[in-house]
Amino acid sequence: GAGVSQSPRYKVAKRGQDVALRCDPISGHVSLFWYQQALGQGPEFLTYFQNEAQLDKSGLPSDRFFAERPEGSVSTLKIQRTQQEDSAVYLCASSPRWVGQLFYEQYFGPGTRLTVT
Amino acid sequence: QQPVQSPQAVILREGEDAVINCSSSKALYSVHWYRQKHGEAPVFLMILLKGGEQKGHEKISASFNEKKQQSSLYLTASQLSYSGTYFCGTAQGGKLIFGQGTELSVKP
Repeated sequence: GAGVSQSPRYKVAKRGQDVALRCDPISGHVSLFWYQQALGQGPEFLTYFQNEAQLDKSGLPSDRFFAERPEGSVSTLKIQRTQQEDSAVYLCASSPRWVGQLFYEQYFGPGTRLTVT
Repeated sequence: QQPVQSPQAVILREGEDAVINCSSSKALYSVHWYRQKHGEAPVFLMILLKGGEQKGHEKISASFNEKKQQSSLYLTASQLSYSGTYFCGTAQGGKLIFGQGTELSVKP
């Protein structure tokens, strides 16, 4: 079946522009996660949803970052007034399990590479 | 706090074995392992739970030492397809904290 998809795959933004990154999780997956990955580093947690509820947003770097999943499926990560330090790959992952279950394997999308110039 | 992985990088010949370690300064309840090939998405390998349960993948196995707060990933008879960066992650609720990664290169 179809995996997690993300769009756009590449985005170049001028400093100060707003961007919106989209994630289409695997159909029926209840949990959805966003990560930021800098070059040569591991993915860094940003936020996660269980259905439409955002249960943890402690990893969002600033109030310029905002994520939503209004109908419990597609999610959008929005970055306002982009800065150069926002340049990274943004990964989305989904899981068929509730986070409270012991095993919650995550299925990652290919990521969106954001470059802020 | 981010788990620490060792080694940072390893080069193998096909058929050789490798061990990747993941240590945490915090008490561990579960350890997740993922592999990421260059330019691709991370792929789930395994989850280990306190108490010994695990959910695994292929010919890769792992151990979880609760007392030492560490996990080890064992890659035996490595294949070219094993090349990539391996990440361990420790779960804190829904938040998965990844280590810095171990880059594994398998040469023919």
